[in-house]
Amino acid sequence: GAVVSQHPSRVICKSGTSVKIECRSLDFQATTMFWYRQFPKKSLMLMATSNEGSKATYEQGVEKDKFLINHASLTLSTLTVTSAHPEDSSFYICSAATGALNTGELFFGEGSRLTVL
Amino acid sequence: KQEVTQIPAALSVPEGENLVLNCSFTDSAIYNLQWFRQDPGKGLTSLLLIQSSQREQTSGRLNASLDKSSGRSTLYIAASQPGDSATYLCAAQAGTALIFGKGTTLSVSS
Repeated sequence: GAVVSQHPSRVICKSGTSVKIECRSLDFQATTMFWYRQFPKKSLMLMATSNEGSKATYEQGVEKDKFLINHASLTLSTLTVTSAHPEDSSFYICSAATGALNTGELFFGEGSRLTVL
Repeated sequence: KQEVTQIPAALSVPEGENLVLNCSFTDSAIYNLQWFRQDPGKGLTSLLLIQSSQREQTSGRLNASLDKSSGRSTLYIAASQPGDSATYLCAAQAGTALIFGKGTTLSVSS
């Protein structure tokens, strides 16, 4: 199947700093990418939908100025957590669509664990 | 708004048992339903995808069924093995993204 790579897999930062997480589709072009957040022992919660070349669509309750998403190319989307605080510590997972969104062809990255001290 | 519920939240079985994981969703107008496996601290591995027009999908010891009218899906695991221990997530796609349940954490003892 298609491969989605996330980097870094783990990051520890100080409170107040910004952290960038990259999501790359390695062997296909992804017109749409999704960013999810997962708290311990909880399910994945959709944060935003990212379309190449346009602004991301954020889910209700997600601060767009806090979580900056850039989908500059068909193979790369980035999530920047700005001025991170301990409550932003979480597991962030991206997924990418290979084709029509209703075909279910979604592939997930390995996730990035953010710890804010 | 689509909501996905998984029962049970946790399950422990001895090796060799057959087991069923349950998933229900509130909005039957879905494109498809997927089952994933997640190991601790890891990303997701897609197990089975059932399109809305399908009733079931099989892969090895796994069989997933879908009943859209009742808003239910089940994942059947035959002859469970310790290596099956993980969290199993179901997700329904009704719009542009997947809506996930909270998962069932399975532990298979040898």
